[in-house]
Amino acid sequence: DTGVSQDPRHKITKRGQNVTFRCDPISEHNRLYWYRQTLGQGPEFLTYFQNEAQLEKSRLLSDRFSAERPKGSFSTLEIQRTEQGDSAMYLCASSLAPSGSREQYFGPGTRLTVT
Amino acid sequence: AQSVTQLDSHVSVSEGTPVLLRCNYSSSYSPSLFWYVQHPNKGLQLLLKYTSAATLVKGINGFEAEFKKSETSFHLTKPSAHMSDAAEYFCVVSETSGTYKYIFGTGTRLKVLA
Repeated sequence: DTGVSQDPRHKITKRGQNVTFRCDPISEHNRLYWYRQTLGQGPEFLTYFQNEAQLEKSRLLSDRFSAERPKGSFSTLEIQRTEQGDSAMYLCASSLAPSGSREQYFGPGTRLTVT
Repeated sequence: AQSVTQLDSHVSVSEGTPVLLRCNYSSSYSPSLFWYVQHPNKGLQLLLKYTSAATLVKGINGFEAEFKKSETSFHLTKPSAHMSDAAEYFCVVSETSGTYKYIFGTGTRLKVLA
């Protein structure tokens, strides 16, 4: 299967710990997005990369969050000093731009629980 | 700025009856609109997309949606609901330039009664 993959699928951590998530996009896709989905809500945009360049960050992305996409392939999202409010599903998506359809392909997500 | 409003947070239908999930959008330009479905503990799956071609868009599993510019609507329909359609449905608009990031609606939970 050559879809978007994310690792881990589930993460339980204690408040104050650091966590890192990984996303592997579809191999030929040059754009990669991170979204956060809290319980009962639709996903919200966090940040996106065009190849290795991080071109936009949402105001939701506090200083405790950092994302990278070295060499324009996989991406990591790190949360430092986690807080209970960080508990959410973190979704990764990739796309090929320019593309008339603007369709994004989503991974299964990483569910983070901060205790 | 683009936005979408899903008018119903919960919809219940009986198996075999039609499904209507409502979505209104706001966009200054010709939008790209999508419907995604999310089953419990599963990823987001694309049902269908509108990208300024035909206004009636057919998707997977018998779903379709009609783009109505005059009403700024993009409602999702299915003639006959199946139990397997029970899930969360999201209407999405894509930014028209730059990031092309998605703006999601708050979702509609569809319940299908036997």
